[in-house]
Amino acid sequence: GAVVSQHPSWVICKSGTSVKIECRSLDFQATTMFWYRQFPKQSLMLMATSNEGSKATYEQGVEKDKFLINHASLTLSTLTVTSAHPEDSSFYICSARSLARTYEQYFGPGTRLTVT
Amino acid sequence: QKEVEQNSGPLSVPEGAIASLNCTYSDRVSQSFFWYRQYSGKSPELIMSIYSNGDKEDGRFTAQLNKASQYVSLLIRDSQPSDSATYLCALYTGGFKTIFGAGTRLFVKA
Repeated sequence: GAVVSQHPSWVICKSGTSVKIECRSLDFQATTMFWYRQFPKQSLMLMATSNEGSKATYEQGVEKDKFLINHASLTLSTLTVTSAHPEDSSFYICSARSLARTYEQYFGPGTRLTVT
Repeated sequence: QKEVEQNSGPLSVPEGAIASLNCTYSDRVSQSFFWYRQYSGKSPELIMSIYSNGDKEDGRFTAQLNKASQYVSLLIRDSQPSDSATYLCALYTGGFKTIFGAGTRLFVKA
């Protein structure tokens, strides 16, 4: 149980284009979802937190107009990187938490984004 | 002071030894505590959760929690090279966020 899927697992896009990443909780309802970014050999960096049906809460320094988050249902959240630039190349990881699972947080497998 | 402190390592142990990973935290109202394992290039994987003082064992893993001293530890018995990874300590204090430590890198030498 407690499986989180993420799609795509990797994507290459051209500078200036937009990329959408999907995150799904497969066997539980995710009351809260999180989006992280991780650069090589660095720590996880929380980008934003979202609750189903509510606007996402972005961490300081994260541009909400560039990283669009939609938590459309209790099992689906999407992150859209708009007007991507090479510096947006990173490992993006979603995570989901269920109150029914005593606040345990489960991670998706991640999406490696390369912007050329 | 960081909310969750971990020694970044690397911690190097020989195969078959006990690896001891430690974590201290600053928020006394912390309720739930977690250990994650992250292999290089992969996302974190939840391996242990602990909610009350004492020890909790799961296979070769034992989590220890001491709320009075504000520390949580993870022991890995009979360490294997496949245990080589970064181990993240995390805690939930209420609200929406879970706070993660920066992680301790563990190397198990064959």
